[in-house]
Amino acid sequence: KQEVTQIPAALSVPEGENLVLNCSFTDSAIYNLQWFRQDPGKGLTSLLLIQSSQREQTSGRLNASLDKSSGRSTLYIAASQPGDSATYLCAVSKSSYKLIFGSGTRLLVRP
Amino acid sequence: GAGVSQTPSNKVTEKGKYVELRCDPISGHTALYWYRQSLGQGPEFLIYFQGTGAADDSGLPNDRFFAVRPEGSVSTLKIQRTERGDSAVYLCASSPGGTASGNTIYFGEGSWLTVV
Repeated sequence: KQEVTQIPAALSVPEGENLVLNCSFTDSAIYNLQWFRQDPGKGLTSLLLIQSSQREQTSGRLNASLDKSSGRSTLYIAASQPGDSATYLCAVSKSSYKLIFGSGTRLLVRP
Repeated sequence: GAGVSQTPSNKVTEKGKYVELRCDPISGHTALYWYRQSLGQGPEFLIYFQGTGAADDSGLPNDRFFAVRPEGSVSTLKIQRTERGDSAVYLCASSPGGTASGNTIYFGEGSWLTVV
């Protein structure tokens, strides 16, 4: 059974810091891995999607890497801002439609 | 440019009552998903529709839960004889096709269900 774990569960950093969020999964047979952002009381917004054949994806200050063989992904946020405060969730896709999510990392960026 | 719309946004119901949650996906999206999210946890898969048919309902917790999508657009999640453990946020999502091919999935803001 696929399990997705995110570390740390919560993170508080001062504005401007570069930071790394970690995601690990137990079954490397995945189609892709996605990182989502969730603001309090809101739905999820897709940030980055990495196909299983890819190693990384970048969007602005965000960079996500994927090491499928070791079952790990990282989300790197450069020059963090208070507006980055949210919960970040990773999810793996083992079928054409079903996502399996981790529990998320709650990020607080202090001004 | 409407996104995925869910109603009601909040629902408080008494134990044992029947509840319907509605999802209006992005126009033209053939794939529709329901997930359930408990406090402090990631969403858990409930059911997936491709068009009008439920292609995978393996995530529905028991036979009190049922979902329909009769015309391939709007979907309704139905919960009978609600229990306090059903309290959660029910998230609906849609995508142009399956997510394995890289289609972006769009989530609604959810329906927060509280069973008292």
